[in-house]
Amino acid sequence: AQSVTQPDIHITVSEGASLELRCNYSYGATPYLFWYVQSPGQGLQLLLKYFSGDTLVQGIKGFEAEFKRSQSSFNLRKPSVHWSDAAEYFCAVGGTEYGNKLVFGAGTILRVKS
Amino acid sequence: DAGVIQSPRHEVTEMGQEVTLRCKPISGHDYLFWYRQTMMRGLELLIYFNNNVPIDDSGMPEDRFSAKMPNASFSTLKIQPSEPRDSAVYFCASSPTGGLNQPQHFGDGTRLSIL
Repeated sequence: AQSVTQPDIHITVSEGASLELRCNYSYGATPYLFWYVQSPGQGLQLLLKYFSGDTLVQGIKGFEAEFKRSQSSFNLRKPSVHWSDAAEYFCAVGGTEYGNKLVFGAGTILRVKS
Repeated sequence: DAGVIQSPRHEVTEMGQEVTLRCKPISGHDYLFWYRQTMMRGLELLIYFNNNVPIDDSGMPEDRFSAKMPNASFSTLKIQPSEPRDSAVYFCASSPTGGLNQPQHFGDGTRLSIL
């Protein structure tokens, strides 16, 4: 069955440090890939998306992600984390094998320490 | 752009009562999705509509759940009768025509507590 794995439930980084959140998926073809962020009490906001083309995609708030087909991964990165980045981050995958639906990972909670 | 609007933001009710959650999608969006978020199961798609027509309701947990979209600007998710295990945050999302090329825009959710 198609699935999305975010292996880290919690991550804590110091403000100003770099960040990488991991996402692995299982899918036969090239999927549609997304990263969303959820702040407490709010809905999900799209950070970035990948459909095709350049495998390094830029998103909002200084985030980027790289699609690596050989590793079935779509990891999210940020070179310097700000305290306001503390939130929960979700990777999502979609494609014809999923119908017109997104499958979300379990999420990674990011804590930023000053 | 007002975004996806959900009401109420919070709902607390006793088990056995009927619960109705409401969603107004972004104007012009053809797709509407209902999700449920819990600690145990994460974010699950319950049902989605295209042009007001339910396309896939395979995620609806049981017959106590029903969803309607009477017009392009309004949808409801109803639970009758409600049970404590229905306690969760329910999100509505919408997206324009284009399938997965278009990202989904989420509302702020309804936090439902069934006592």
